[in-house]
Amino acid sequence: GESVGLHLPTLSVQEGDNSIINCAYSNSASDYFIWYKQESGKGPQFIIDIRSNMDKRQGQRVTVLLNKTVKHLSLQIAATQPGDSAVYFCAENTGGFKTIFGAGTRLFVKA
Amino acid sequence: DADVTQTPRNRITKTGKRIMLECSQTKGHDRMYWYRQDPGLGLRLIYYSFDVKDINKGEISDGYSVSRQAQAKFSLSLESAIPNQTALYFCATSDSPERGPYNEQFFGPGTRLTVL
Repeated sequence: GESVGLHLPTLSVQEGDNSIINCAYSNSASDYFIWYKQESGKGPQFIIDIRSNMDKRQGQRVTVLLNKTVKHLSLQIAATQPGDSAVYFCAENTGGFKTIFGAGTRLFVKA
Repeated sequence: DADVTQTPRNRITKTGKRIMLECSQTKGHDRMYWYRQDPGLGLRLIYYSFDVKDINKGEISDGYSVSRQAQAKFSLSLESAIPNQTALYFCATSDSPERGPYNEQFFGPGTRLTVL
């Protein structure tokens, strides 16, 4: 069945280092992927998205990589800052409204 | 001001009580959603609405009902709350596909509901 999962439930990085958060998906028909950030006490917030016709997309300090061969998605955060501490969710959909969310990875940034 | 607001932010209630959670949005979006979030699980869709006259069940609609009072308002009701409905509830909105097939969802701040 459809599922979106994360390899690691928690990730701890040193401030200034790069962070990589991974995600596996199982639906080969998924054609749109999104990363959300959820800070404590807040709702998920869109970070970056990527369509299946792309392998890489860059934003401000963030990069999303998509490997359709192995159904893997990753979020890279450059020069991680304390404000990046949050739970990060990957999500997938097939071009319609239905979005399937992963369980999330909690990122801790050590000063 | 927040684009998507939810009230209340926190609620503690007892088993068997009727509870209503409210969501309002100023983004002008047609589509609205209610999700539930439990520890260790992703967001799960309860109900969604594509416009005022369109209401659809999500994957976990049992025990819940909704009302789309206006384009900007979408409320979620628990007719008879039970302890396993204790969770964090999020409302979200998105634009219509006519404006593009891929639309991010905008989330409210959440309502933490505890059923004793």
